[in-house]
Amino acid sequence: EPEVTQTPSHQVTQMGQEVILRCVPISNHLYFYWYRQILGQKVEFLVSFYNNEISEKSEIFDDQFSVERPDGSNFTLKIRSTKLEDSAMYFCASSEDFGGRKTQYFGPGTRLLVL
Amino acid sequence: AQTVTQSQPEMSVQEAETVTLSCTYDTSESDYYLFWYKQPPSRQMILVIRQEAYKQQNATENRFSVNFQKAAKSFSLKISDSQLGDAAMYFCAYLWGSGSARQLTFGSGTQLTVLP
Repeated sequence: EPEVTQTPSHQVTQMGQEVILRCVPISNHLYFYWYRQILGQKVEFLVSFYNNEISEKSEIFDDQFSVERPDGSNFTLKIRSTKLEDSAMYFCASSEDFGGRKTQYFGPGTRLLVL
Repeated sequence: AQTVTQSQPEMSVQEAETVTLSCTYDTSESDYYLFWYKQPPSRQMILVIRQEAYKQQNATENRFSVNFQKAAKSFSLKISDSQLGDAAMYFCAYLWGSGSARQLTFGSGTQLTVLP
């Protein structure tokens, strides 16, 4: 069964460093998303992406964040200058479009720790 | 704003018994989608079940079923014949937005413990 994959599974970085989180969505999906979950809290929407553009972004997704689809398979989230409060689990998700195919399937997550 | 409320932070069930997890939501839309996701200790988000709001019939996936009450804006998850592997955090989620600008809003989760 097709699935969303994410790399790395764990990332430790120093405050102020740049990190890039990578995702490979399900191959026939057209819509891509990033969510984050701070430990012990609910999952929060960051950004949605379609047709090589950001469709929607939350207040969390400030100028420190960017997303890109550099080729036909990868979808990346970049955090330019990490802060302690960026420590969280980051989930990538993808979906098709119509009807039940709006279901978003999640990857296993990248656990980011900022020291 | 769309909100999702899970009023039970923790629940427990005896193995082989049935448990119901509650979820309510607030929306002014008439067409939307609701989901239950399971998050085991690995923290992966696993889709459990989906309900389209325009469908009156409650969704069922094997031992998992929902009780969707549209007028009451309630969407509970029933797990029958509970198994040890069902122990996890369960999140209710509401899909909103239109076109390409869709997003999920999640509840705060219910931690389910299955007792042997």
